[in-house]
Amino acid sequence: DAGVIQSPRHEVTEMGQEVTLRCKPISGHNSLFWYRQTMMRGLELLIYFNNNVPIDDSGMPEDRFSAKMPNASFSTLKIQPSEPRDSAVYFCASSYAGKEQFFGPGTRLTVL
Amino acid sequence: GQQLNQSPQSMFIQEGEDVSMNCTSSSIFNTWLWYKQEPGEGPVLLIALYKAGELTSNGRLTAQFGITRKDSFLNISASIPSDVGIYFCAGHYTDKLIFGTGTRLQVFP
Repeated sequence: DAGVIQSPRHEVTEMGQEVTLRCKPISGHNSLFWYRQTMMRGLELLIYFNNNVPIDDSGMPEDRFSAKMPNASFSTLKIQPSEPRDSAVYFCASSYAGKEQFFGPGTRLTVL
Repeated sequence: GQQLNQSPQSMFIQEGEDVSMNCTSSSIFNTWLWYKQEPGEGPVLLIALYKAGELTSNGRLTAQFGITRKDSFLNISASIPSDVGIYFCAGHYTDKLIFGTGTRLQVFP
């Protein structure tokens, strides 16, 4: 079975541009999580969904960040406008019943 | 955000040596998970622990869920070069995982 799929794997953009990160969770999983990883702050939970509904977005740093899950097999994380301090690795993870989370390979974002 | 205290921060060991790392928290967790992350990849689940006192093995890896539910440890026996990576503990809190700060393991042949 395919694991969590994320695209793109790498994204380089200029400050002010819109960035969209994509995630396909493992089929049958009903929870989806977006994380950000940096050297300074480690792994931070940004937002998570249960059954496509956003449950907790308290980790989203600013209004520039938004996430959607239009169906059980797809989610996006959007940053508009992007800033250099948004540079990080963004991970998507999915789980069934919320405990064992399985991570995707991540998107390495660089904002110049 | 919340983080677990994980130690040591890094380890440099010789191939064949055993490794031990642990995680402590001021909060009680009902589930402990251990992940390994290699460069350029996402964390990969190694072991999940569901009961206080539980001892679980996965090959050369052994993990235990502390009796107090506030700690967990991971042991790696007879380390090999491919054990290199960052190991994270995670405690399950409501619907979320709280991650430790990671233990960076280097293995020298």
